Amino acid sequence: DIQMTQSPSSLSASVGDRVTITCQASQDISTYLNWYQKKPGKAPKLLIYDASNLDTGVPSRFSGSGSGTHFIFTISSLEPEDVATYYCQHFLNLPRGFGPGTKVDIK
Amino acid sequence: QVQMVQSGAEVKKPGASVKVSCKAFGYTFTTFGVGWVRQAPGQGLDWMGWINPYNGDTNYVQKFQGRVAITTDTSTSTAYMELRNLRSDDTAVYFCVRDYYGPWGQGTLVTVSS
Repeated sequence: DIQMTQSPSSLSASVGDRVTITCQASQDISTYLNWYQKKPGKAPKLLIYDASNLDTGVPSRFSGSGSGTHFIFTISSLEPEDVATYYCQHFLNLPRGFGPGTKVDIK
Repeated sequence: QVQMVQSGAEVKKPGASVKVSCKAFGYTFTTFGVGWVRQAPGQGLDWMGWINPYNGDTNYVQKFQGRVAITTDTSTSTAYMELRNLRSDDTAVYFCVRDYYGPWGQGTLVTVSS
């Protein structure tokens, strides 16, 4: 099974700050990677698909990059409504594992 | 529009089984796999297993092997996840998700308590 790691596990930033999260896969997954936002009581929301494509309706302050084993997720200017936990997930093969998540809050 | 609608919350005793349903709308059910994911309180997202509705092929994570069964009824475009021999640490929100890009179901809270 492909293992996904994320760093940091949590971060605290000010409104307007640039936030960066990294995700590493244990083997080459090309760009078969999604980024999700998860808020309590809600289903995960797809933000970025295929590593770098912004899903429909997602604000442009969210972006993703990378391929192979190393991926980066960025919030260019943190907003209060971005408080959430962010997960990467690969879909190269089964099982489609998730990273452990990065909890983002406001300083 | 494409959506996945899950059954309601369940309360079960330890040792019992639970079966959660997930009805698909807005697309041809047999053209995408369906995955099941759970999130226990304070924990991350945990992929449980997957089914191909076209041919019934399944894939389960080792952690749940022997206790979980994922099935489909193509006549009603519904996927099911049954978890047997429930323990207190199975208390979680269970989600279905259409393969690759979603959408996700709204989640079903399963509480296991004596």
